Amino acid sequence: KQEVTQIPAALSVPEGENLVLNCSFTDSAIYNLQWFRQDPGKGLTSLLLIQSSQREQTSGRLNASLDKSSGRSTLYIAASQPGDSATYLCAVGNSGNTPLVFGKGTRLSVIA
Amino acid sequence: EAGVAQSPRYKIIEKRQSVAFWCNPISGHATLYWYQQILGQGPKLLIQFQNNGVVDDSQLPKDRFSAERLKGVDSTLKIQPAKLEDSAVYLCASSHPDSSYNEQFFGPGTRLTVL
Repeated sequence: KQEVTQIPAALSVPEGENLVLNCSFTDSAIYNLQWFRQDPGKGLTSLLLIQSSQREQTSGRLNASLDKSSGRSTLYIAASQPGDSATYLCAVGNSGNTPLVFGKGTRLSVIA
Repeated sequence: EAGVAQSPRYKIIEKRQSVAFWCNPISGHATLYWYQQILGQGPKLLIQFQNNGVVDDSQLPKDRFSAERLKGVDSTLKIQPAKLEDSAVYLCASSHPDSSYNEQFFGPGTRLTVL
């Protein structure tokens, strides 16, 4: 059974810092991995999707990497801003067209 | 293109009452998921539809939860009777089954409070 763990559970940083959020999964035979952002009281916004054959994906100040063999992914946020404050969720798809297995998320606060 | 729509956004009921949630997926997305997100947890799958057929409902508490997608588009999730532990956000997601990426798109969710 796939399990996803996110560390740390919460993180508070001053504005402008670069930061890394970690995600690990127990079964390396994944199809893809998605990073989501969730603002309080809102739904999930997809940030980046990495296919199992890819090593990383980039979007603006965000970079996500994937190391399948070690069961790890990282989300790198450059030059953090107060608007980046949210909960970041990592989710794994074990095959095509299947439900995602989520971690509990990392709650990020960027202090101005 | 329009995103996944859900209603209502919020619902407060007393235990043992019934409640229903509605979801309209992105046009053309044949696959629809309902997830339950308890406070402080990641979302967990309740049920997956492919068109109007159920693909996976192994995690759905069938004694109180039911879901349908009669015409392969909109879906309704019902809880009857509700328990205190059903307080959660109910998220609907959709994906295009032919997509090589299997990217899922989520609606804003329905926040349910059971008193």
